[in-house]
Amino acid sequence: QKEVEQDPGPLSVPEGAIVSLNCTYSNSAFQYFMWYRQYSRKGPELLMYTYSSGNKEDGRFTAQVDKSSKYISLFIRDSQPSDSATYLCAMRVAGGTSYGKLTFGQGTILTVHP
Amino acid sequence: NAGVTQTPKFRILKIGQSMTLQCTQDMNHNYMYWYRQDPGMGLKLIYYSVGAGITDKGEVPNGYNVSRSTTEDFPLRLELAAPSQTSVYFCASSYPPGGNYGYTFGSGTRLTVV
Repeated sequence: QKEVEQDPGPLSVPEGAIVSLNCTYSNSAFQYFMWYRQYSRKGPELLMYTYSSGNKEDGRFTAQVDKSSKYISLFIRDSQPSDSATYLCAMRVAGGTSYGKLTFGQGTILTVHP
Repeated sequence: NAGVTQTPKFRILKIGQSMTLQCTQDMNHNYMYWYRQDPGMGLKLIYYSVGAGITDKGEVPNGYNVSRSTTEDFPLRLELAAPSQTSVYFCASSYPPGGNYGYTFGSGTRLTVV
């Protein structure tokens, strides 16, 4: 079993739709949860960062973490064609010898069509 | 402010050849990482460094070597290239873990081994 599982999609939605992206994980020691966005032929860029359980909102983006279910989500409201990209979830344990090492999901390819 | 710079952007190697992928950051980050990204597989950690002179293996280190003589530079060396090393390679850097810090990624090196 992979430590982090993410539905690779692809996911195709019309402009203005609400998008839900999800990851499950098996390591209960994960404390920091991130979403990265990666445009074609570019490096990933940090989109959202959440510590432990709860919700975090930034404009059209909402990240949710449910540690009891080992499940994280990213919601995109009013999706735009410019949101078309690969979305990667990532997570890491806290402190100690983790040295900031991230474990990534496989990535979900999202296309928002006009 | 260039962030993380990777060179070359593209390279074709023949089986058995060697090469060095260059990575430089100008943010004075102590932590640096090398990941490889294969289609549908997310990012896998190859090597990481927590400061000049300190490096350690990640999840998939076989066939690679690194060095860290300065804070800015973290080159990745491929010895005896094999087709299995065909991938996109990303270098990343970060502040020490803790707080709201994610990675800053370079734009990647696309390597094909034939």
